[in-house]
Amino acid sequence: ETGVTQTPRHLVMGMTNKKSLKCEQHLGHNAMYWYKQSAKKPLELMFVYNFKEQTENNSVPSRFSPECPNSSHLFLHLHTLQPEDSALYLCASSQEGAGTPGGGYTFGSGTRLTVV
Amino acid sequence: EDQVTQSPEALRLQEGESSSLNCSYTVSGLRGLFWYRQDPGKGPEFLFTLYSAGEEKEKERLKATLTKKESFLHITAPKPEDSATYLCAAGYQKVTFGTGTKLQVIP
Repeated sequence: ETGVTQTPRHLVMGMTNKKSLKCEQHLGHNAMYWYKQSAKKPLELMFVYNFKEQTENNSVPSRFSPECPNSSHLFLHLHTLQPEDSALYLCASSQEGAGTPGGGYTFGSGTRLTVV
Repeated sequence: EDQVTQSPEALRLQEGESSSLNCSYTVSGLRGLFWYRQDPGKGPEFLFTLYSAGEEKEKERLKATLTKKESFLHITAPKPEDSATYLCAAGYQKVTFGTGTKLQVIP
């Protein structure tokens, strides 16, 4: 399998639940990203991992917790979410390290999250 | 604060009717200007990177151009399969995205 794979594709969770989003890239890229996409809003950068080290936390609430165990896998752990957290969560990777976007990002298809 | 503004928000074209999408940017430093295509229910798909004013890149019916303040995505003789949301992004250390132009091409 090639590209960036995200699971699950859809997730409905209650405000007291704990769940995790998974992202896997098979491209040998060095940097991985979490973005949030809400209707009528631009993509919002959440976290950046560069060579497995977190290099960016864009003032994201602590109810979102990222984990990058190796350069191919990225997780987003969710707990005590709010209804306004409902959105499409996109994972992306790039060849260069974060901060050197010489080429474009490769995005996964996203996880559509609904918080009830 | 970095800002990327796309216009129009939505565009309806007849098949074969050429047009252009606009991306205006105000960023503290420009390492690259990026265009993506996003289909419903999918993540954005990378199209082009432009690095300096005057640069142009083409792919099938799409042509992207760059000036010091804006970029255009020209669509020549579009087909229904070109229907999608087109996203623009720009920046240096961090990339800022626009809200996109939703293009609908009618047969």
